[in-house]
Amino acid sequence: GAGVSQTPSNKVTEKGKYVELRCDPISGHTALYWYRQSLGQGPEFLIYFQGTGAADDSGLPNDRFFAVRPEGSVSTLKIQRTERGDSAVYLCASSLKGPRGDTQYFGPGTRLTVL
Amino acid sequence: GNSVTQMEGPVTLSEEAFLTINCTYTATGYPSLFWYVQYPGEGLQLLLKATKADDKGSNKGFEATYRKETTSFHLEKGSVQVSDSAVYFCALTSESGGSYIPTFGRGTSLIVHP
Repeated sequence: GAGVSQTPSNKVTEKGKYVELRCDPISGHTALYWYRQSLGQGPEFLIYFQGTGAADDSGLPNDRFFAVRPEGSVSTLKIQRTERGDSAVYLCASSLKGPRGDTQYFGPGTRLTVL
Repeated sequence: GNSVTQMEGPVTLSEEAFLTINCTYTATGYPSLFWYVQYPGEGLQLLLKATKADDKGSNKGFEATYRKETTSFHLEKGSVQVSDSAVYFCALTSESGGSYIPTFGRGTSLIVHP
């Protein structure tokens, strides 16, 4: 079956611009996660959803970052007033139930470059 | 807070050598432990997991045992192949402030030579 997909695969933007990153999880997975991964580092947790609601957004670095999952499936990560330090690979993952003990299935990531 | 510490890479081995990648953790409560692998040009995928103390996860010849007394989850394989060359991430989920937040280590690159 189809895995987790993310679009776009690459995004280049200028400092100060707004960007949206999209994630399509595996059908039927109730939990969806966003991570940020810098070069040479592991995935850094940003936010996860259980259904439509954000179960934990404690990893979002500041109020420029926001994510939604209005129908409990596709999710969008929104970054306002982008900064050069936002450049990273943004990963999305989904799991059947929730993070405790559940296997996460990762997408290929969106590489964001802020010039 | 929760944290995962992995040995620094890269780890370079010859084919058929024995592999150990160390992973230790700090966590509140009773974490679930995972090893994820990222092959060149691919996304992260689960390699194995263990959800309670003394459990052993295994897959594709890799093994790791959940050791609560030493807070460790070291990854081992008896005989590595060139196709095992990848980046390996140790991870945990554990309760923090009422929810279960995933925490990943920095990753350990493994290079296997023929």
